[in-house]
This record gives sequence, structure tokens and C-alpha cells, in this order.
Amino acid sequence: KAGVTQTPRYLIKTRGQQVTLSCSPISGHRSVSWYQQTPGQGLQFLFEYFSETQRNKGNFPGRFSGRQFSNSRSEMNVSTLELGDSALYLCASSTGQGGSDTQYFGPGTRLTVL
Amino acid sequence: SQKIEQNSEALNIQEGKTATLTCNYTNYSPAYLQWYRQDPGRGPVFLLLIRENEKEKRKERLKVTFDTTLKQSLFHITASQPADSATYLCAHTDKLIFGTGTRLQVFP
Repeated sequence: KAGVTQTPRYLIKTRGQQVTLSCSPISGHRSVSWYQQTPGQGLQFLFEYFSETQRNKGNFPGRFSGRQFSNSRSEMNVSTLELGDSALYLCASSTGQGGSDTQYFGPGTRLTVL
Repeated sequence: SQKIEQNSEALNIQEGKTATLTCNYTNYSPAYLQWYRQDPGRGPVFLLLIRENEKEKRKERLKVTFDTTLKQSLFHITASQPADSATYLCAHTDKLIFGTGTRLQVFP
């Protein structure tokens, strides 16, 4: 099976702009989770989508949003970008069966905000 | 709030020794803990899962323990090799909470 793919891999934006990141899960996986990774804060959970519904949400401002389509592909949007949003954004897919699920991560999108 | 702490940001050991990484959790009792490996510029990769009713789990040179009394999981790599150098993350995947990771460096 093909792994999790994320596009684009690298992105440079300026403050105030918005950005949309895309994630294609492993075929058959219904859950997609998004994470922000920075050197200081580590891997922080943004949200999880399962069957097109947001199932869990982390502690991020409303500028961060997402959605999932019927084919399980997911997008994440960040509006009004701030310098502190510079990070590696990772998505992970799983079967969505629960806590014993393995999270399969994509390679990430490196976002730089200038 | 629920939290996972990996109390060593970095660990340097000599090739052939056993590396031991620590993961502590507070304010909850996870039913599962998972360990992942992350190489620079890549997403984390799953290594092992341990359930709360399991004391120990092994996979080749890897061993994980789970002590619900101490609220702690230990991750061991025996006969470590330079190729084991990476960041290791523990995770409470019920809540999708990851620790900040321990960067392991194995030198010849």
C-alpha cells in the first residue's frame, strides 16, 4: 500500500496570509490526525477527523481548521498566519479503531512564515 | 491536563551499550502507550505498543516496560548501533498526545 502523502512539502508564506495543506491517507484508513511540530514544543495535536467529522481537537486557536472529504483525504487551513506558525505540519492516518491504533505519519509540510 | 514527559532531551551512549529512555505520564491512566522513532526531516514511525495489563513487550533489540504504579514506561535498545541514532517519542494514542522526544546519539 502507498504511504501517507502530504502536499506541498515546503511552503513559504508571509504574515497575514492563509495556507492550505493537504494529506492523503493510506487506502482504507478513515482517521486523519494533524500535528504541529516545533523544536521547543515537540509534536502537538491539532485535530482528528474520522469519516468526515472532527472527532477530537487540540488546544489551538480557531485560525487552525480542517476538513475531511468522503475519500478520507484531509486538508488543514491556517488563516492570518503568524511568525510562530512556522513549523513542520504532520498528518497521520489510522483505521480509527481506538487507542491501540498505529499512527502512520506522512513526511510533513515544512511551513515558513516570514 | 494530561501530559507525557520524556525527561531526557538527549542521550549519548557508546555503541554496544543499552540505551534506556524514560516516559512519564500524569493526570490520567492510559490503556496503551506507543513508542515511535523519528529521523530528521521525516515523520515518526511506529515501533512498539504496550497495554496497561502488560508489564513488558519485546521486538528484536527493543524492549518496552509499563509500570502503572510509577506511571512510567521505559524503552530499551540493547546492543545499540549508530543506526539507532534518532529521536524517540512515546505517545498516549487514546488522546493522541505525544511526548517531546528523546534524541538518542550512539557513537562508535
